[in-house]
Amino acid sequence: DAKTTQPPSMDCAEGRAANLPCNHSTISGNEYVYWYRQIHSQGPQYIIHGLKNNETNEMASLIITEDRKSSTLILPHATLRDTAVYYCIVRVGSNDYKLSFGAGTTVTVRA
Amino acid sequence: ETGVTQSPTHLIKTRGQQVTLRCSSQSGHNTVSWYQQALGQGPQFIFQYYREEENGRGNFPPRFSGLQFPNYSSELNVNALELDDSALYLCASSQDSVYGYTFGSGTRLTVV
Repeated sequence: DAKTTQPPSMDCAEGRAANLPCNHSTISGNEYVYWYRQIHSQGPQYIIHGLKNNETNEMASLIITEDRKSSTLILPHATLRDTAVYYCIVRVGSNDYKLSFGAGTTVTVRA
Repeated sequence: ETGVTQSPTHLIKTRGQQVTLRCSSQSGHNTVSWYQQALGQGPQFIFQYYREEENGRGNFPPRFSGLQFPNYSSELNVNALELDDSALYLCASSQDSVYGYTFGSGTRLTVV
C-alpha cells in the first residue's frame, strides 16, 4: 500500500550530486515525506523528512514541489558508501504509526 | 548513545517450530516497531508498541505476537513457523514518531 513511485534504479558518479525523484501525487495535506536508505545487510537509516518546505541536514537536501506531489532527495557529493536502496515514504506524523516501504530506488555510486 | 540492538543475528528453525526474537531500543525511546523484509523487497510493518501497549498492527496473522517491557525492550514471537516466514526481521525504535525511527541490523531467520 505504498503511496509513492520511484525509479527502480539509478547510477551516479562519485563526487557528483545524486538527485533521487519521488512521485506522491495522492499525498494529503497532513502527510510528511520521509526518506530512508538501506545499505546492504543493514537496517534502514533515516535520512530526512519534510512537510512543505525544503529541508537540509548533514546528509542530504529534500526539495518538495509547491503542489507537494513530488519531491527530490539530493545527495550533494555522492561517495561509494552512499550505494544503497533509497526509500521515499509518505505518512502522517505521530498519528500514523507505520512506515510503508515500497521497492525503493537502488542507487549505485561508481568511481 | 547506544543504537538499536537485535538478537540473535541469524537463526535457523524448522517448519512448525516457534521463535522469539529480541530487540533493545535506543536509550530514551519508548516506541518500538517490528518489520519483516523478504529477500529483494522493502520492509513490511508487523506491529508497533508504545509504552507496553500494541498501538498498531499490519496485515500479519495472530501467530505473530509481541511484547514490550518496562525498559522498552521488545520481543517478537512467531508460532507455527512456515517456510515463507524466512526473512530479515527488523526492529525500530523512536522517541517521537514524527521524527525518524532508528532501525537495528535485523535478525535473519531461515525456516527449513
